[in-house]
Amino acid sequence: DGGITQSPKYLFRKEGQNVTLSCEQNLNHDAMYWYRQDPGQGLRLIYYSQIVNDFQKGDIAEGYSVSREKKESFPLTVTSAQKNPTAFYLCASSNGHYSNQPQHFGDGTRLSIL
Amino acid sequence: SQQGEEDPQALSIQEGENATMNCSYKTSINNLQWYRQNSGRGLVHLILIRSNEREKHSGRLRVTLDTSKKSSSLLITASRAADTASYFCATDAGGTSYGKLTFGQGTILTVHP
Repeated sequence: DGGITQSPKYLFRKEGQNVTLSCEQNLNHDAMYWYRQDPGQGLRLIYYSQIVNDFQKGDIAEGYSVSREKKESFPLTVTSAQKNPTAFYLCASSNGHYSNQPQHFGDGTRLSIL
Repeated sequence: SQQGEEDPQALSIQEGENATMNCSYKTSINNLQWYRQNSGRGLVHLILIRSNEREKHSGRLRVTLDTSKKSSSLLITASRAADTASYFCATDAGGTSYGKLTFGQGTILTVHP
């Protein structure tokens, strides 16, 4: 079945450590997105990529980095510069060739500080 | 920035009743989308309404869009306990940022059996 896979489901970060969240899709979508969700809140856009080897900052990119070397993969690194990383991270994709397309979401990674 | 503002923040109803959630936004849009999120899970797309549409139906869902008032509503008819979830509206401003969504804070819907 086509879909988006995020791993791991739970992740713990020590002080000063960088951690990488994985996002893989087999929907053949060009566009991919990373969101952060805090308790009781909506989603805020961290980074997005509309095509391989290109990505743009979203509303809250500070302390995060991404790469887009393959169409299927869009990993997110939470760096030590992100002082409040505890949150639920969601990856999504959409068919970027057409407008008015919905986004398809993975089941998220919950990141906590040790 | 959060463009969509949803109302109410929480809604509690009995099975069989209708549930209505509202969303307001600030700038012009290309389309508006509604998503559902079950606790601890990712979002599931429910319905997309384009800026030139006024009403759209999908099963028990009815969405309206009033671009003059910059508002939308989601109606779930004959609700079921399985409809218990958070519901989010999201706007796509189109143009150079097409496909990029701005989400509201969400409405938590609880349907009691």
